[in-house]
Amino acid sequence: SQQGEEDPQALSIQEGENATMNCSYKTSINNLQWYRQNSGRGLVHLILIRSNEREKHSGRLRVTLDTSKKSSSLLITASRAADTASYFCATGTGGGNKLTFGTGTQLKVEL
Amino acid sequence: GAVVSQHPSWVICKSGTSVKIECRSLDFQATTMFWYRQFPKQSLMLMATSNEGSKATYEQGVEKDKFLINHASLTLSTLTVTSAHPEDSSFYICSARLPGLAGSRSYNEQFFGPGTRLTVL
Repeated sequence: SQQGEEDPQALSIQEGENATMNCSYKTSINNLQWYRQNSGRGLVHLILIRSNEREKHSGRLRVTLDTSKKSSSLLITASRAADTASYFCATGTGGGNKLTFGTGTQLKVEL
Repeated sequence: GAVVSQHPSWVICKSGTSVKIECRSLDFQATTMFWYRQFPKQSLMLMATSNEGSKATYEQGVEKDKFLINHASLTLSTLTVTSAHPEDSSFYICSARLPGLAGSRSYNEQFFGPGTRLTVL
């Protein structure tokens, strides 16, 4: 299976704390994307980082990519209860091809 | 912009019946759409790539005769689960790829529909 793995599988933090999720993948990639999914809902695209980029920011989100280690991390700073969701990384192999999703991290942010 | 809708949002059917799920890109044309299946507390697994005007490309292990895909227009792809059985009960999600130039931000970005929960009794 080419599916990536994410850790932790589940993460519970207090509001205001930072949350870090990690993603590892197996093949060479063109880009890596992070998505959020609220329970029973569709996916929301958060951020895309290309294989020639090492770090990217978007609001409270910070994504890093280490292609030598085939890994990425998503940091959510100053978390809020509304950040409670499942987070998935997905790798794209270029040419507008299909995405391969990781196993996901369930984040719970408690008040 | 870049909104994708799915219909129905949920469906309950009897074993042996067929169910059609629609995926529409509302404000852009999508030559490529994707169909995923997600079991509870699991990740999305790609079932097939739907290409407008041509046959869908199915992932290994997905039965093309059971999961019929039709992409008849640039804004609509349909997935029909034929002769559904309880093991087909799942959350089906489609996505549409936003066309973009290589190197642009939108390149390879997919926009996802809200999903369809299928329950087969």
